[in-house]
Amino acid sequence: NAGVTQTPKFQVLKTGQSMTLQCAQDMNHNSMYWYRQDPGMGLRLIYYSASEGTTDKGEVPNGYNVSRLNKREFSLRLESAAPSQTSVYFCASSDNAPGAGTEAFFGQGTRLTVV
Amino acid sequence: EDQVTQSPEALRLQEGESSSLNCSYTVSGLRGLFWYRQDPGKGPEFLFTLYSAGEEKEKERLKATLTKKESFLHITAPKPEDSATYLCAVGTSGTYKYIFGTGTRLKVLA
Repeated sequence: NAGVTQTPKFQVLKTGQSMTLQCAQDMNHNSMYWYRQDPGMGLRLIYYSASEGTTDKGEVPNGYNVSRLNKREFSLRLESAAPSQTSVYFCASSDNAPGAGTEAFFGQGTRLTVV
Repeated sequence: EDQVTQSPEALRLQEGESSSLNCSYTVSGLRGLFWYRQDPGKGPEFLFTLYSAGEEKEKERLKATLTKKESFLHITAPKPEDSATYLCAVGTSGTYKYIFGTGTRLKVLA
């Protein structure tokens, strides 16, 4: 049982390049999330998907797009990478919403550097 | 505005020296308070969920407690392998956002 799997683990991009971060979960969870983690800032929500077929913006959505491909997969796309997007990105999933008191489970992260 | 604050930012303990980490929150409609452990280069690992004031949960050397304004993660007789960053988060009614604190970096020295 792998839980939440993210690819790639590391990536270096040049400013203006695009890329897609992949995430898949095998826990049959309804909700999925993309967070970024920066020193001193904590985890900040980029986008979430409450259920298959829906996506919504979080706190810091600018410069990102997402696709909930099916119940298992939720991808994050950077269309034109900027140095400010250098961060560690985490995908997470939960059975129900945080407001239902349901815990989230996280992937191992993607360390992205934009030069 | 909903907010979660953790203290201290960093803590160094000798092996066997018990202590507590604090997570204070100001939110409307708390539905769950979550504790996570994060090792360097890894994703947060779920530890506990607490739902109501007075609730306690234990796992090995860790015990989490909850009041109406804060939660404590008590570490009893810690070992070097307990060294990690401990994060707390809350879930509030009507939202799809887990609100995270910035964490406490714990270092346990042998």
